[in-house]
Amino acid sequence: DTGVSQDPRHKITKRGQNVTFRCDPISEHNRLYWYRQTLGQGPEFLTYFQNEAQLEKSRLLSDRFSAERPKGSFSTLEIQRTEQGDSAMYLCASSFGQLSTDTQYFGPGTRLTVL
Amino acid sequence: ELKVEQNPLFLSMQEGKNYTIYCNYSTTSDRLYWYRQDPGKSLESLFVLLSNGAVKQEGRLMASLDTKARLSTLHITAAVHDLSATYFCAVDIFWAGGTSYGKLTFGQGTILTVHP
Repeated sequence: DTGVSQDPRHKITKRGQNVTFRCDPISEHNRLYWYRQTLGQGPEFLTYFQNEAQLEKSRLLSDRFSAERPKGSFSTLEIQRTEQGDSAMYLCASSFGQLSTDTQYFGPGTRLTVL
Repeated sequence: ELKVEQNPLFLSMQEGKNYTIYCNYSTTSDRLYWYRQDPGKSLESLFVLLSNGAVKQEGRLMASLDTKARLSTLHITAAVHDLSATYFCAVDIFWAGGTSYGKLTFGQGTILTVHP
């Protein structure tokens, strides 16, 4: 399978716990994006990387959210001290990063439920 | 701040009928995407529209872009049940140098249901 993969697909946690999600982009893509999608809404941009550089993180929802892409390949999104309002689908996408082929391809998502 | 609005939000169609979904956005952009999402699934890319007047067609779906009106349309011809899904438009804001920023702003989505 050469698409974007995410792990885990589902995560149930108790309020106050930390969670970490992983995203593996399409191998030749140098851009990686994180979005959050709540029920009945379109995805909301959180942050993105070009290779290992995080070029935009102002949309991360609070300082409890952080993302890394240490070697320019896979990425992790961590949420510390989870709150019930963090319950959502977290989507990862990747793109080649060139002007003419910048379609973002989305992974299956990680559905987070905070009890 | 960029706003993207889709209309209608809910669309119930009979098989065989035609209809159009509208996507309005509030600031200049030369790049607009249409995605499809099935329940519980991720987003599937349908179309990328890169310039004013761009038109793309795939099967029973046709998308167009009018950058002057800041409007894109997704036209459905002779709907079939398999087209039932949520459809999103998304707009990309360019850097000044012409390089894509890549931050997509999505509309609320249009939930399409096609009945026999």
